[in-house]
Amino acid sequence: QVQLQESGPGLVKPSQTLSLTCTVSGGSISSGSYYWSWIRQPAGKGLEWIGRIYPSGSTSYNPSLKSRVTISVDTSKNQFSLKLTSVTAADTAVYYCAREHYGDYVDLWGRGTLVTVSS
Amino acid sequence: QSALTQPASVSGSLGQSITISCTGTNSDVGRYNLVSWYQQHPGKAPKLMIHEGSKRPSGVSNRFSASKSGNTASLTISGLQAEDEADYYCCSYAGSSTLVFGGGTKLTVL
Repeated sequence: QVQLQESGPGLVKPSQTLSLTCTVSGGSISSGSYYWSWIRQPAGKGLEWIGRIYPSGSTSYNPSLKSRVTISVDTSKNQFSLKLTSVTAADTAVYYCAREHYGDYVDLWGRGTLVTVSS
Repeated sequence: QSALTQPASVSGSLGQSITISCTGTNSDVGRYNLVSWYQQHPGKAPKLMIHEGSKRPSGVSNRFSASKSGNTASLTISGLQAEDEADYYCCSYAGSSTLVFGGGTKLTVL
């Protein structure tokens, strides 16, 4: 079955860029039925949708993060990635990569990776 | 785009039923029949429990049901079991190809 795995640095300095990659295994990221997204969760707080990338390569972002976020895809590696610029302590969270069913709901989640923003 | 409003906590006794509300606006919950619900146990990734308003994925107990009235969606869990104790999140399509989550509700099974 399809599985998602996040990878990337667990510690990022303030004002720098957070970069994470999600590797999709057990299925093709190019499948037209699904979109690929990033969601984050600060410790003890709720979930926040960051954005998604479509099989076509086009993207949609949370308006509150749009100016700092870029999501990209590498179909040859079956991976998609997140870049979040100018990070602050408020960006400290568990970051999940996820699969969306036509952008309506998330039907598959990665295990999540903790990213801490600290000097 | 503001987070959907959920009660911070709810509780119920074993075997009883509880309902968790999720209030949005006429730009998200009220406009689209695209509310989903997720269960999250501590230290784990969320799990899809309900999608498209009231549909249960394969493998999810029929003790979980959902509905919507106006700008408020609701998740009902009947016959509470100990393993239902978890955090629950609602999520809605919010237009412009975006999703918005609720703040989460901690369910305690007494």
